[in-house]
Amino acid sequence: EVLLQQSGAELVRPGSSVKISCKASGYTFTDYYMHWVKQRPEQGLVWIGRINPANGNTVYAEKFKSKATLTADKSSNTAYMQLSSLTSEDTATYFCTRNFHYWGQGVMVTVSS
Amino acid sequence: DIVMTQSPSSLAVSAGETVTINCKSSQSLLSSGNQKNYLAWYQQKPGQSPKLLIYLASTRESGVPDRFIGSGSGTDFTLTISSVQAEDLADYYCQQHYSYPRTFGGGTKLELK
Repeated sequence: EVLLQQSGAELVRPGSSVKISCKASGYTFTDYYMHWVKQRPEQGLVWIGRINPANGNTVYAEKFKSKATLTADKSSNTAYMQLSSLTSEDTATYFCTRNFHYWGQGVMVTVSS
Repeated sequence: DIVMTQSPSSLAVSAGETVTINCKSSQSLLSSGNQKNYLAWYQQKPGQSPKLLIYLASTRESGVPDRFIGSGSGTDFTLTISSVQAEDLADYYCQQHYSYPRTFGGGTKLELK
């Protein structure tokens, strides 16, 4: 069974960074791209970027190029997304998804002082 | 970037009705190489992750009931839900998977009349 288990909710201060994780199981981690999607409260879905876990190659949406950093650890079958210089605009739920067929449960990141 | 425009933004229905959700892309999603349309549909219920319903415009994901039908080609696409059931009340999104950045439509909220 394919499972994507994401880390827990985060409450972070403005200006700080946060790193969230997505642990994959039930398949060969390096065989599929991992994408990340943002959803602000009561808003739609926004694609952030994707990583190829086999070689670390990344593609980002333009607006996230200086906001998000995607990495993957083949030894632990875990994908990560670091968000930097956080503002209230980054308050959202962040999903990892294996080529959009399988989704993690989402991580709520709240940016507040 | 390819802009995805969904309509309507909300729809009130009664159980048993047939509903149609439209999605228009700013560029053709039809690949000249394989004649496939790179358009997907997702369902998202409150507090849940999105769920893939349809990909390649008309291919139903495994386990998706056959009352969900995707159609269209080029720049105009439709999701039809036949005989809507209470469990179908959710938000629906289209997404192009033709090129990067992947882009989503603004969503359609399906509500009870």
